Amino acid sequence: KNQVEQSPQSLIILEGKNCTLQCNYTVSPFSNLRWYKQDTGRGPVSLTIMTFSENTKSNGRYTATLDADTKQSSLHITASQLSDSASYICVVSAYGQNFVFGPGTRLSVLP
Amino acid sequence: EAGVAQSPRYKIIEKRQSVAFWCNPISGHATLYWYQQILGQGPKLLIQFQNNGVVDDSQLPKDRFSAERLKGVDSTLKIQPAKLEDSAVYLCASSLGRGLYEQYFGPGTRLTVT
Repeated sequence: KNQVEQSPQSLIILEGKNCTLQCNYTVSPFSNLRWYKQDTGRGPVSLTIMTFSENTKSNGRYTATLDADTKQSSLHITASQLSDSASYICVVSAYGQNFVFGPGTRLSVLP
Repeated sequence: EAGVAQSPRYKIIEKRQSVAFWCNPISGHATLYWYQQILGQGPKLLIQFQNNGVVDDSQLPKDRFSAERLKGVDSTLKIQPAKLEDSAVYLCASSLGRGLYEQYFGPGTRLTVT
């Protein structure tokens, strides 16, 4: 069964600190993996999209990594800001199939 | 460029009533998605359209949910009759096509069934 798991479920950090969110998946055959940021009361916004051949991709202070062998991905946030407070959702797609969404990690950045 | 528009933003109904949600995708986007997001969970795909044809509706509870995409542009999602467990945020998203194209999400409609 295609599944996406994320950890931790929630995370609290202080402004300016770094953090790393994890995503494990069993989706097969793998096509691509996406990270989305979802602010409260809004729709998700794409941060990165990675295919099988890519093992790292950055978008400003966000850096995503992908290990297709172990079926793991991480999202690293550098020098966190208050505006980074949101849910971060990992989404994996298999060839010819639709997206499988993870449950998300709820990040709170405190001043 | 204008984003994905959805209306209404909020809706409260009693169980067994009917409700409809509307979505206007980004101009030129051939693919349209409806998702259901229950509080604390990731979105779950309900139905995917490619132009005005249905590509995937395997997770749509067809006994009570229906959706259409007239002329391959706007889309409507209907629930009739609603149940308590339908309380969720209904997200519409669109993309230029399938595969590696970016999905753009609307703000969602928050439905509360009492």
